[in-house]
Amino acid sequence: QITLKESGPTLVKPTQTLTLTCTFSGFSLSTSAVGVGWIRQPPGKALEWLALIYWDDDKRYSPSLKSKLTITKDTSKNQVVLTMTKMDPVDTATYYCAHSLSVYGHFDYWGQGTLVTVSS
Amino acid sequence: QSALTQPASVSGSPGQSITISCTGTSSDVGTYNLVSWYQQHPGKAPKVMIYDDNKRPSGVSNRFSGSKSGNTASLTISGLQAEDEADYYCCSYAGSTTNWVFGGGTKLTVL
Repeated sequence: QITLKESGPTLVKPTQTLTLTCTFSGFSLSTSAVGVGWIRQPPGKALEWLALIYWDDDKRYSPSLKSKLTITKDTSKNQVVLTMTKMDPVDTATYYCAHSLSVYGHFDYWGQGTLVTVSS
Repeated sequence: QSALTQPASVSGSPGQSITISCTGTSSDVGTYNLVSWYQQHPGKAPKVMIYDDNKRPSGVSNRFSGSKSGNTASLTISGLQAEDEADYYCCSYAGSTTNWVFGGGTKLTVL
């Protein structure tokens, strides 16, 4: 049974750095082709793909946010960490992490999401 | 502005069929057989309903089907049920630079 759960601060100030952790179970990020991605959704708006890391440490980023994002993994802890710098109120959103079973594959398991508000 | 274009809303009566379109470009939908569709109920995480253009995950009702023609993918829901009322998002792989793009979402109302 695959589960994922996001954790991190619910409130950050503008210009601060956000660090989110995705803790998962039921699969290993050392298994070939497996990936974990991050997707966000501003209140009342659409989903937006942010980043993904594969089992072999290949990292992919949204071109529009690449300069703000860093994704890393800790296979021994079953965790993936997303760091986003220079937070702005427009970054207020629910942040989801999700599992991908294959390279370029769809997101078949999602975490419950965590709402991050950017405000002074 | 989302990379993939979906209608903002669609509606149908119970038992009817509806189709939601997802228009991309030759750089995403038109090139890769990697369109997926997600259902999202209010306050919940998205759930994959269709992947690889037209494959249905285990456990998803066969009332849901996917198709594609050129740069436009479609999700069809037949025999509409009240529980189908939700937001639906398409997503496509778009190459090694852009990677994944989502549509703007479509709100399905079951009348």
